[in-house]
Amino acid sequence: QVLFQESGPGLVEPSETLSLSCTVSGPSIRSDYWGWVRQSPGKGLEWVGYVRHGDYSFFNPSLRNRVTISIGASESRVSLRLTSVTAADTGFYFCVRGIRGYHTSGYDYSYFDLWGQGTQVTVSS
Amino acid sequence: SSELTQDPAVSVALGQTVKITCQGDCLKTQYPSWYHQRPGRAPVLLFSGKDERPSGISRRFTGSKSGITAFLTITEAQAEDEGDYHCSSLDTRTTYVIFGGGTRLTVL
Repeated sequence: QVLFQESGPGLVEPSETLSLSCTVSGPSIRSDYWGWVRQSPGKGLEWVGYVRHGDYSFFNPSLRNRVTISIGASESRVSLRLTSVTAADTGFYFCVRGIRGYHTSGYDYSYFDLWGQGTQVTVSS
Repeated sequence: SSELTQDPAVSVALGQTVKITCQGDCLKTQYPSWYHQRPGRAPVLLFSGKDERPSGISRRFTGSKSGITAFLTITEAQAEDEGDYHCSSLDTRTTYVIFGGGTRLTVL
């Protein structure tokens, strides 16, 4: 059984740093990509970024300068750190497993097959 | 950079068939992944970017593509199919993940 336990502060003041944590039970986080997708109120999904244990990492270019995603393999934990937050960072943050590869038909692909239930983040003073 | 465009809202009569579209230049060479999100819930993968349906997903959901437009077809629409449908792919130039704006499906 797959279980995600996401946790975070809920409320963050503008210009501060947001820190979220996701503990994964079931699949190993030593393989595939692990990261975050967020959703602003009433809006679509926005990819934040994901990393693979020990090597590659990919981040949304609009957030790259502010975001850090790390994997604590021994604790099965995926962490997000987003600095200098503004109201635009308010939303639901989902912990995700990302699959990335190359199709035999000749193209790269990426999709998210496992999602946590999400944690609400509000940026406000 | 590439974008993925989806119709904001679509409706279908109960038991009928509906096609949800996703359009973008990157789809010329890729299949998108599709997700279904019910209100207040996390998205669920319906179709992967490998053009595969995960186990446990109903065969009523099928993916297809023509040129730069991808389609998610839902047959025999049920009330439980209501919600938001999101497509996603990789930006061809940067290989970053992009999402469409989502389509809200109403089953009448």
